[in-house]
Amino acid sequence: KAGVTQTPRYLIKTRGQQVTLSCSPISGHRSVSWYQQTPGQGLQFLFEYFSETQRNKGNFPGRFSGRQFSNSRSEMNVSTLELGDSALYLCASSLGLGLAGTLNTDTQYFGPGTRLTVL
Amino acid sequence: GIQVEQSPPDLILQEGANSTLRCNFSDSVNNLQWFHQNPWGQLINLFYIPSGTKQNGRLSATTVATERYSLLYISSSQTTDSGVYFCAVEPTNQAGTALIFGKGTTLSVSS
Repeated sequence: KAGVTQTPRYLIKTRGQQVTLSCSPISGHRSVSWYQQTPGQGLQFLFEYFSETQRNKGNFPGRFSGRQFSNSRSEMNVSTLELGDSALYLCASSLGLGLAGTLNTDTQYFGPGTRLTVL
Repeated sequence: GIQVEQSPPDLILQEGANSTLRCNFSDSVNNLQWFHQNPWGQLINLFYIPSGTKQNGRLSATTVATERYSLLYISSSQTTDSGVYFCAVEPTNQAGTALIFGKGTTLSVSS
């Protein structure tokens, strides 16, 4: 099976702009989660989508949003970019078989990431 | 919230040496995974191990859920093992959370 793919791999934006990142999960996986990785804060959970519904959300401002399509592909959007949004954005997919209201309890597989630089 | 602590933060080894990485967590979990992040940022899944012991080649892992820790063993290390190793958990009693990552152990293996 093909792995998780993310596009674009690298992105440079300026403050105030908005950006959309894309993630295609492993075939058959219905859950897609997004994480932000920075040197200072490490890996932090942004949100998770399952069957086109946001099932969980981390502690990030409303400028960070996402969606999932019927084919399980997901996009995340960051509006009004700030310098602190520069990070590696990682997407993970899994079968999503966990209990309702909680994140899945099965293995998560990560994509290669999108490295976003905000100038 | 749950705390995930990894030790040591840094580890320098000669090729061929063995090592043990530790992950302590402060509350019960229903998911624990070990990842290796390569220099290009890719997180590679090593083990899904909420409890018990698993082995995969030169790597093995043990999680003692009742004592809230997990160990990752690397035997006969190779230069390609270099990178950052993360432990990540999903807390049992915090609905709406996701994988909580430790700060990682940075491993450098020299030839």
